Amino acid sequence: DAGVTQSPTHLIKTRGQQVTLRCSPKSGHDTVSWYQQALGQGPQFIFQYYEEEERQRGNFPDRFSGHQFPNYSSELNVNALLLGDSALYLCASSLEDVTWQVGNYGYTFGSGTRLTVV
Amino acid sequence: AQTVTQSQPEMSVQEAETVTLSCTYDTSESDYYLFWYKQPPSRQMILVIRQEAYKQQNATENRFSVNFQKAAKSFSLKISDSQLGDAAMYFCAYNTAGGTSYGKLTFGQGTILTVHP
Repeated sequence: DAGVTQSPTHLIKTRGQQVTLRCSPKSGHDTVSWYQQALGQGPQFIFQYYEEEERQRGNFPDRFSGHQFPNYSSELNVNALLLGDSALYLCASSLEDVTWQVGNYGYTFGSGTRLTVV
Repeated sequence: AQTVTQSQPEMSVQEAETVTLSCTYDTSESDYYLFWYKQPPSRQMILVIRQEAYKQQNATENRFSVNFQKAAKSFSLKISDSQLGDAAMYFCAYNTAGGTSYGKLTFGQGTILTVHP
């Protein structure tokens, strides 16, 4: 059973450029959440997608946008990159109705995409 | 809004010894979940243990146990018989049990745990 897959693993971009990060959720999961983790810090919630719509959003500017496809995979787009956008971007998948029962156990995280803005 | 605070940036322990990581949180909700996640160098967040706020009994998972003090809003993790593989960054996290924030995890700043052989 495949876990959460994120691509690419690492990425280097220049200030002002745009970037797209991709996430394939765990098989059977229909909800995807994105987090930004600055170096040495805890992850910060960016947004969550369910049924191809943004359901919740954290305190991030509109430069951060996303999309969810019919197969539940998701993209995170960041426009007009700033040096401060350099971070590890984590994707977490789950069922929409998260429970803690066997077969529906919470959130599964990917290994992230390390974005460096120079 | 909920906040989670980990006041220990770094902790160390000798192999086979016991270590306790601290976490405090702030919330006005009465029903929620608390978690400890482990993040090794592979970067993937791994769930260590989960506590439901309505349960008074402290959660235990093998060598890992918590001390949940709801009134004090404290949630510490005890690792017994520490192993080299326990070395990682540990995060305390909060999740509301329902409502519009359902599914959003709020993390603390993390504690780096070093295990000495």
